[in-house]
Amino acid sequence: AQKITQTQPGMFVQEKEAVTLDCTYDTSDPSYGLFWYKQPSSGEMIFLIYQGSYDQQNATEGRYSLNFQKARKSANLVISASQLGDSAMYFCAMRDLNGSEKLVFGKGTKLTVNP
Amino acid sequence: ETGVTQSPTHLIKTRGQQVTLRCSSQSGHNTVSWYQQALGQGPQFIFQYYREEENGRGNFPPRFSGLQFPNYSSELNVNALELDDSALYLCASSYGQGMSGYTFGSGTRLTVV
Repeated sequence: AQKITQTQPGMFVQEKEAVTLDCTYDTSDPSYGLFWYKQPSSGEMIFLIYQGSYDQQNATEGRYSLNFQKARKSANLVISASQLGDSAMYFCAMRDLNGSEKLVFGKGTKLTVNP
Repeated sequence: ETGVTQSPTHLIKTRGQQVTLRCSSQSGHNTVSWYQQALGQGPQFIFQYYREEENGRGNFPPRFSGLQFPNYSSELNVNALELDDSALYLCASSYGQGMSGYTFGSGTRLTVV
């Protein structure tokens, strides 16, 4: 069974600094996708970044990058130059790319950006 | 392009009642998934609909059921509500396999009393 573990219930960062949110995963499938979502207090899950298990390079999207270490089964999210609007819950999720349609989510990390 | 819209945004129901939640998928998307997010937890997959057929189901009892319509909008129905059904219900749409991410709505917050 697939599992996502986020060990940081809460993180604090100063505005304009970088922060890393941890995510480890467990799966026996060789083909999978890893996602990060941001959930502000409004409830909407906002897609940030995607990494496929066969992608050779780490994914980047603007200020977001994914530090993908396949052997360690980790997919940490790095947010550079934090902004006050980055304060939210962040969820790591995984999808098996061979038939299963579901996303499996971790419990999330609450990020607070301080001015 | 319009995003995913869900209705209602909030509702309160009594234990034992039935509820219907609605979701309009993003323009161009043909697949809809539903998730339940309990307080302080990550979302849990309920089921997915593709071309009006259920296309995968999570570990939820049969009293959770759904529909997808020809315009790709969807409904989630929950019968015989229990207190533990209180949660944020999220709808997500995608085109096909959703490899690059699903587009989520803002959710319906259901409280069962």
